[in-house]
Amino acid sequence: AIQMTQSPSSLSASVGDRVTITCRASQGIRNDLGWYQQKPGKAPKLLIYAASSLQSGVPSRFSGSGSGTDFTLTISSLQPEDFATYYCLQDYNYLVTFGQGTKVEIK
Amino acid sequence: QVQLQESGPGLVKPSETLSLTCTVSGGSISSYYWSWIRQPPGKGLEWIGYIYYSGSTNYNPSLKSRVTISVDTSKNQFSLKLSSVTAADTAVYYCARRISSGLLQGGHWYYYYYMDVWGKGTTVTVSS
Repeated sequence: AIQMTQSPSSLSASVGDRVTITCRASQGIRNDLGWYQQKPGKAPKLLIYAASSLQSGVPSRFSGSGSGTDFTLTISSLQPEDFATYYCLQDYNYLVTFGQGTKVEIK
Repeated sequence: QVQLQESGPGLVKPSETLSLTCTVSGGSISSYYWSWIRQPPGKGLEWIGYIYYSGSTNYNPSLKSRVTISVDTSKNQFSLKLSSVTAADTAVYYCARRISSGLLQGGHWYYYYYMDVWGKGTTVTVSS
C-alpha cells in the first residue's frame, strides 16, 4: 500500500503568516492527491484536488502544488478560521490512504 | 445540493458486527462511488472502502477480511458492515461521495478522484 508521510505533524503560526505543509508518497502517484481541512467535531472539508485544483468555494489563499511523490499545501496569509488540522489523501491505483495530519495552532 | 447522513447504533458489543447506513439526499446515488472513512478518538483519518453504485467495491487491505459495503439504489442508501469488532474499532464513522474530474493536461485528459461531500459523522463505541 502507498504510504503518505505528512510534515510537520503540528505547527504554530500567527494570523497573516504564510504556512506550508508537505506530503510525500512512498511511490509515484501522478497528481492523485487532495488536501482536506478538519475542524474539531466536524467532517473533513475538501480544499484541493488533483494536487493543485482549488475546490469551488475555497478561498484563493489556499493553493497546492507538486507531482509524483512530493506535494505541498500553502496558505498564503493565515486567517483565524484556518486554524485546524489538515490532511493529504492519495487516491491512486484504487486504494486510498491519508497522511497523518498537520495541526495548525495559534502562536 | 447533495447531503449525506450516517445512521446506526452508537454502541456495539465486542465480537459483534457494526452496521451503519448512509442516506443520500438531494441527488441520485447513481453514477458515483461512495466511501466510508473512520476516525478513532484523537487520531487521524482511515479509509475503510468504497462502492460504485453498480456494486463493485474496493476495501482497505487492513480491514478487508471484516468489511462489507453494499448499496441499495432504490433507497438511495449504502451501508457498512464491520464484523468481529473490538475496542480498536471505536471511532467516528463518516460516509462520503467519491467523484472524478477530468483535467486537460499536456494535451491529454486525465481523471482524478476525490471525496467532495461528507456526512457529519456518527460515533460508534465498542464496549460491553
